[in-house]
Amino acid sequence: QKEVEQNSGPLSVPEGAIASLNCTYSDRGSQSFFWYRQYSGKSPELIMSIYSNGDKEDGRFTAQLNKASQYVSLLIRDSQPSDSATYLCAVKANPRNDYKLSFGAGTTVTVRA
Amino acid sequence: DAGVIQSPRHEVTEMGQEVTLRCKPISGHDYLFWYRQTMMRGLELLIYFNNNVPIDDSGMPEDRFSAKMPNASFSTLKIQPSEPRDSAVYFCASSFPPQSYSGNTIYFGEGSWLTVV
Repeated sequence: QKEVEQNSGPLSVPEGAIASLNCTYSDRGSQSFFWYRQYSGKSPELIMSIYSNGDKEDGRFTAQLNKASQYVSLLIRDSQPSDSATYLCAVKANPRNDYKLSFGAGTTVTVRA
Repeated sequence: DAGVIQSPRHEVTEMGQEVTLRCKPISGHDYLFWYRQTMMRGLELLIYFNNNVPIDDSGMPEDRFSAKMPNASFSTLKIQPSEPRDSAVYFCASSFPPQSYSGNTIYFGEGSWLTVV
């Protein structure tokens, strides 16, 4: 079983719609969760981090975490063509340990104008 | 700050040749990471350093790969001899130390696109 699993997509949504991305992780002791966005040919950039159960909103992005079910999701509201990218879920097991971040394979999102 | 700087951006080399990738982390960052990204395996952590000391190299695929960090502002990833299956994008990244339950942001360089023919 992979440490971090995501739906590979591609996920195609019309402009203005909500894009919903899901991620599950295997290590129940994981404490920190991140969403990175990677445009084609570019490097990953952090867009959201979440550490506690529940929702965290930042602009058009909402991250949701459910540690009991071991899943984290990302909602993109009012999707724009500029949101077309691959979204990587990343999980860190123990923040007190030295840093080790496990990435999912990514979900490719295409926003249709 | 200029961000994490990597060189070369693109390299095409013949199988068996030595490849050296270079990285300059963001000034003040204590942690430096080398990642490899391929379509098949996604983004994999190869090795990371804390204060120039290698902490975890369990992701280094084999002895052909080596990494060094002689000082706080420079690191290299070397492949010798290179093989076609090493073709990938190699990212260097850096960050401040992790904080309890807050995590921290890893800043990636633009990557070095390696093709071994």
